[in-house]
Amino acid sequence: QVQLVQSGAEVRKPGSSVKVSCRASAGTFSNYVISWVRQAPGQGLEWMGGIMPLSGTVNYAQKFQDRVTISADESTSTAYVDLRGLTSEDTALYFCARSPPQCTTISCYARLHYWGQGTQVIVST
Amino acid sequence: DIQMTQSPPTLSASVGDRVTITCRASQSITTRLAWYQQKPGKAPKLLIYKASSLEGGVPSRFSGSGSGTEFTLTISSLQPDDLATYFCLQYDSYSPEFTFGGGTKVEIK
Repeated sequence: QVQLVQSGAEVRKPGSSVKVSCRASAGTFSNYVISWVRQAPGQGLEWMGGIMPLSGTVNYAQKFQDRVTISADESTSTAYVDLRGLTSEDTALYFCARSPPQCTTISCYARLHYWGQGTQVIVST
Repeated sequence: DIQMTQSPPTLSASVGDRVTITCRASQSITTRLAWYQQKPGKAPKLLIYKASSLEGGVPSRFSGSGSGTEFTLTISSLQPDDLATYFCLQYDSYSPEFTFGGGTKVEIK
């Protein structure tokens, strides 16, 4: 059974950065795509960006383009999201999610079958 | 940017009722739409992709329809386990941009 295991909760000060990891427990790492989605307290869902390990392609939502980096390490089956210039508005639960096997096109960023447990990021003075 | 308007924001229905949730796109997205279910304190779960394709393992009481700018998620017979918030997700593969609707909270009467 595929599991996505995310790193633990983080507390950061405004202006700093945070890096969240997401390790896949099974499956060929390059055989799917990964999206990062966040959810502010009591709010809806927001797609931040994604990565296609097979091609190395990374795509970002325009809102985050200037301050987010998504990467992946195939040797450890781990994906990362690095968010800089944090403000209180970045306080949220951050999820990684991946497509089913063999779903490797850009539209597969929306076909998110497996999800991590979420990582709470709190930005506060 | 493509905007998604989801309605209603909340919905109260009885077990066994047929429930319909709607998402409207600000411009045509053909069938580039997915539906997710999120239970309190949990990660979202994919129900439908490509507007009407049922994801593996999802009960057949869930169905999706629509194309262009108007889409619906239907629960044919509401069950207690369906208590959740439902989100649509549109994907513009060209930009690319992926935009969630505002969500519909389904309550059981």
